[in-house]
Amino acid sequence: AQSVTQLGSHVSVSEGALVLLRCNYSSSVPPYLFWYVQYPNQGLQLLLKYTTGATLVKGINGFEAEFKKSETSFHLTKPSAHMSDAAEYFCAVSRTGGTSYGKLTFGQGTILTVHP
Amino acid sequence: GAVVSQHPSRVICKSGTSVKIECRSLDFQATTMFWYRQFPKQSLMLMATSNEGSKATYEQGVEKDKFLINHASLTLSTLTVTSAHPEDSSFYICSASARAKSNQPQHFGDGTRLSIL
Repeated sequence: AQSVTQLGSHVSVSEGALVLLRCNYSSSVPPYLFWYVQYPNQGLQLLLKYTTGATLVKGINGFEAEFKKSETSFHLTKPSAHMSDAAEYFCAVSRTGGTSYGKLTFGQGTILTVHP
Repeated sequence: GAVVSQHPSRVICKSGTSVKIECRSLDFQATTMFWYRQFPKQSLMLMATSNEGSKATYEQGVEKDKFLINHASLTLSTLTVTSAHPEDSSFYICSASARAKSNQPQHFGDGTRLSIL
């Protein structure tokens, strides 16, 4: 079974400051990992994904994440926060095997607040 | 990028009514669609997986007779909440994938806010 834990349900940063959203996963097989963003009353938008290859992946809107197998982590970062980054962020791992193939397990979500 | 359209965006109806929600992939063929439910301030919970031309696979604890799913074409899946009650009020989100492979991202619709009075 796979699981995802996002540390911190709320993160608050100043505009221009570093954004760090933490995600740890549990998986018995090499994981496929995703970060999604959700704005109020909307669906989810893919920020970035890790499948294989380079462990540092770059996504949209200046976000990036690094897959660290030894730490079972996939933290999301952005060097300089913008007001428009305020949203809820979800880390997800793709299930593998049998009828679960392709299904996503989501973390609990982290609400990012950006203040002037 | 891949676009998924979900309709309606908001529904308010009386208890006992059946409500149909549509999920369409606009610019790709979706062999697999997923239906999620999201309660306020919570994460997404997968309800069922829908494969074109076959029966949906429901997650444990989801009543298949309550939440009817049809995936009749490669671009359309529907979720019907039958005889809806206030406890069915929630935010329902669909997603679509061209192939049900673990490394393929799902593309999400904008969700449907269902309120049962």
